[in-house]
Amino acid sequence: DTEVTQTPKHLVMGMTNKKSLKCEQHMGHRAMYWYKQKAKKPPELMFVYSYEKLSINESVPSRFSPECPNSSLLNLHLHALQPEDSALYLCASSLLRKGTQYFGPGTRLTVL
Amino acid sequence: SQQGEEDPQALSIQEGENATMNCSYKTSINNLQWYRQNSGRGLVHLILIRSNEREKHSGRLRVTLDTSKKSSSLLITASRAADTASYFCATDANQGAQKLVFGQGTRLTINP
Repeated sequence: DTEVTQTPKHLVMGMTNKKSLKCEQHMGHRAMYWYKQKAKKPPELMFVYSYEKLSINESVPSRFSPECPNSSLLNLHLHALQPEDSALYLCASSLLRKGTQYFGPGTRLTVL
Repeated sequence: SQQGEEDPQALSIQEGENATMNCSYKTSINNLQWYRQNSGRGLVHLILIRSNEREKHSGRLRVTLDTSKKSSSLLITASRAADTASYFCATDANQGAQKLVFGQGTRLTINP
């Protein structure tokens, strides 16, 4: 299995809602990533997990809360988001010490 | 801030022609990668070139790397309509291979 899956594909939420994005991979990768991508812009790194531990947090607001329950799963919990948080959220994984990252199809998030 | 800068920002060519995209970066790297992204979808890894390599081929793709000029180019030969996508270069930052910094991207359109 060489695929990274993300659910849901689309999400619309209000500013007072709590929702979660889910990412899963079964390639045995021990590094997993969350990126945020605005339209016509490159992906921007948010978080990196290595061996289920948070290793990089790119000064992301606390309304985004990542979680890595096990080596195959990565969640992003959302709470009290702002309309400017609307974007495509991409998950990726990689073998540690290897540069290639494998991306999921993304979740298109709209905050009303 | 993005380390990689790409040009052109947009490129439109006829099917069958070759497409060349360039990427410049600012700091020393371990490797440089190119990714493709179809509209609103996840990124697909195309090719990785290490800092001690100067040229690499993969099918219709040819990548060059000039570390003295801190630049790379991606050549797609005999373009097809299916090559229409955004192309991003990505470099690994000094924190190791886990963190990629993406260029602004080139939007390539192949006209039938």
